[in-house]
Amino acid sequence: GQQLNQSPQSMFIQEGEDVSMNCTSSSIFNTWLWYKQDPGEGPVLLIALYKAGELTSNGRLTAQFGITRKDSFLNISASIPSDVGIYFCAGQLQGSGYSTLTFGKGTMLLVSP
Amino acid sequence: DSGVTQTPKHLITATGQRVTLRCSPRSGDLSVYWYQQSLDQGLQFLIHYYNGEERAKGNILERFSAQQFPDLHSELNLSSLELGDSALYFCASTRGISNTGELFFGEGSRLTVL
Repeated sequence: GQQLNQSPQSMFIQEGEDVSMNCTSSSIFNTWLWYKQDPGEGPVLLIALYKAGELTSNGRLTAQFGITRKDSFLNISASIPSDVGIYFCAGQLQGSGYSTLTFGKGTMLLVSP
Repeated sequence: DSGVTQTPKHLITATGQRVTLRCSPRSGDLSVYWYQQSLDQGLQFLIHYYNGEERAKGNILERFSAQQFPDLHSELNLSSLELGDSALYFCASTRGISNTGELFFGEGSRLTVL
């Protein structure tokens, strides 16, 4: 089946630092998404990307859909303590009428004040 | 608050037992998805129901089954439980089938099998 390799597995940074994480796949996806899971909560969508090469921002978050359609990255600028959580990438292949989301294993982010 | 409700929040049971997890989707959503989250496997897709009918199956064990009822709530049944079934089980919902990728997740049901 489709697999997503997400890295790094975890990060421990100081408040104010920038963060970068990425996701690669052996399969092509038509949609890339980034979700965040706060402790004790379910994942929540942060950013959705629908076009190869697309660069999208949401506040301090920026994500890009790779040209090859096999990768995506997420950057967080000027991190703050509430950025703590697990960040998941997810890919979806459409065109065959229907497909489910495939999730990466997540990047755990810890931010020290 | 995503609008998706899952019960129970926590469940502790013994090996060999059977449990039922319940999910109420957001108002108006017809699709319900079940995911299993474990430390080493991340979020694994189990099964998807749309308007009462099974639409897709992922890595769901034969000991597990699900259904979606006429009022659109869904239940995930886990039987002959093993230690390895301990995990967080998430339900998510969307309006339709071929969605834009945005799933609305509940807070999850944490299952511990002793």
